Amino acid sequence: EIVMTQSPATLSVSPGERATLSCRASQSVSNNLAWYQQKPGQAPRLLIYGASTRATGVPARVSGSGSGTEFTLTISSLQSEDFAIYYCQEYNNWPLGFGQGTKLEIK
Amino acid sequence: QVQLVESGGGLVKPGGSLRLSCAVSGFTFSDYYMNWIRQAPGKGLEWISYISSSSTYTKYADSVKGRFTISRDNAKNSLYLQMNSLRAEDTAVYYCARVSVEMATAGYWYFDLWGRGTLVTVSS
Repeated sequence: EIVMTQSPATLSVSPGERATLSCRASQSVSNNLAWYQQKPGQAPRLLIYGASTRATGVPARVSGSGSGTEFTLTISSLQSEDFAIYYCQEYNNWPLGFGQGTKLEIK
Repeated sequence: QVQLVESGGGLVKPGGSLRLSCAVSGFTFSDYYMNWIRQAPGKGLEWISYISSSSTYTKYADSVKGRFTISRDNAKNSLYLQMNSLRAEDTAVYYCARVSVEMATAGYWYFDLWGRGTLVTVSS
């Protein structure tokens, strides 16, 4: 089973600045990685798949990068709606694995 | 409106049973593999089961294998999760989520639509 580790657990950033979230896999997952955003009481929302492809409707300020075991989600020029919890998920192996999440909070 | 709506959660005693439902609308249900994913309080997400578009294939996480059963009724646009022999560690919000047949058969198992979840609490 692949273990996905996200860091940091909490990230405090001011609106208008850039946020960089990390996700590490315990073994290579190629580029089979997705990122989701979750707000309290809401359904998770797909942001990125294939490590770097934005899902429909996701703004260009959101970008994903990486392959193998190291991945990054970058949100440039943070808006109020970006403060949420973010999860990575690998789909290279079964069982599918999720990270524990990074909470992006307003500084 | 394209949406997934879970229901059926609640409080149940250890060893008890519960059946969750996921009602689908706004898209062709039979074009998708369907999944259940859960999130324990304060924890991350855990994939627990999927069912193929025509119910031919199912798969379970080891943590629920032999206790939970996934099923679907394409005529009713509904997904189900029968949960038996429930334990305290099954306490979680349960989400249904979809993967298109095209993506699933190509091995691209990311979830492009989720419901808001239903809370299951297992406690005496």
